[in-house]
Amino acid sequence: DAKTTQPPSMDCAEGRAANLPCNHSTISGNEYVYWYRQIHSQGPQYIIHGLKNNETNEMASLIITEDRKSSTLILPHATLRDTAVYYCIATSQETSGSRLTFGEGTQLTVNP
Amino acid sequence: EPEVTQTPSHQVTQMGQEVILRCVPISNHLYFYWYRQILGQKVEFLVSFYNNEISEKSEIFDDQFSVERPDGSNFTLKIRSTKLEDSAMYFCASSVGRGGANVLTFGAGSRLTVL
Repeated sequence: DAKTTQPPSMDCAEGRAANLPCNHSTISGNEYVYWYRQIHSQGPQYIIHGLKNNETNEMASLIITEDRKSSTLILPHATLRDTAVYYCIATSQETSGSRLTFGEGTQLTVNP
Repeated sequence: EPEVTQTPSHQVTQMGQEVILRCVPISNHLYFYWYRQILGQKVEFLVSFYNNEISEKSEIFDDQFSVERPDGSNFTLKIRSTKLEDSAMYFCASSVGRGGANVLTFGAGSRLTVL
């Protein structure tokens, strides 16, 4: 897996957009960027993934820079239930097989 | 939405006892995984399983651990002779397949407490 760097914590006001950054400067061409989150002690929850292009789904948007060395997860209208640890993982089947390597992630706290 | 189901949600056991954690993966998924998270620490990969055999395992997954798919729906993690340091949340996950993007769906976890 490419090493990823995330801020340890962030705060966001309820209803505002939460922008979570991730650096993955050593990412290789076949590695995807995945975002998962973990609410309290629940199982990790998949949010979104991308390779080169920006992606959007019902949960979030993923913006990947053109050089692919960093990305930003955007929660457009954060709610209290979005308070969680967010993990950015850069990996591919070719480099890491079937495993996901979770780092420390970013603790996002959404405040009322 | 399809879910990965894990039982029990919490198990308390005495040191040295054997524990079996059970998981029902999503029905059309072919790859199954176990991860664990010791309190306050990272989520760690233990093992992946495909076509009735282990496809990959971490250094944590030693002879104390075993996995099995005893029937068409269940996927189990057996921990023999439990130790205090085995206390953790154990998460089962499944995915459709490998190659390209591989999105894992995790269960809610089984909390194991070894006394």
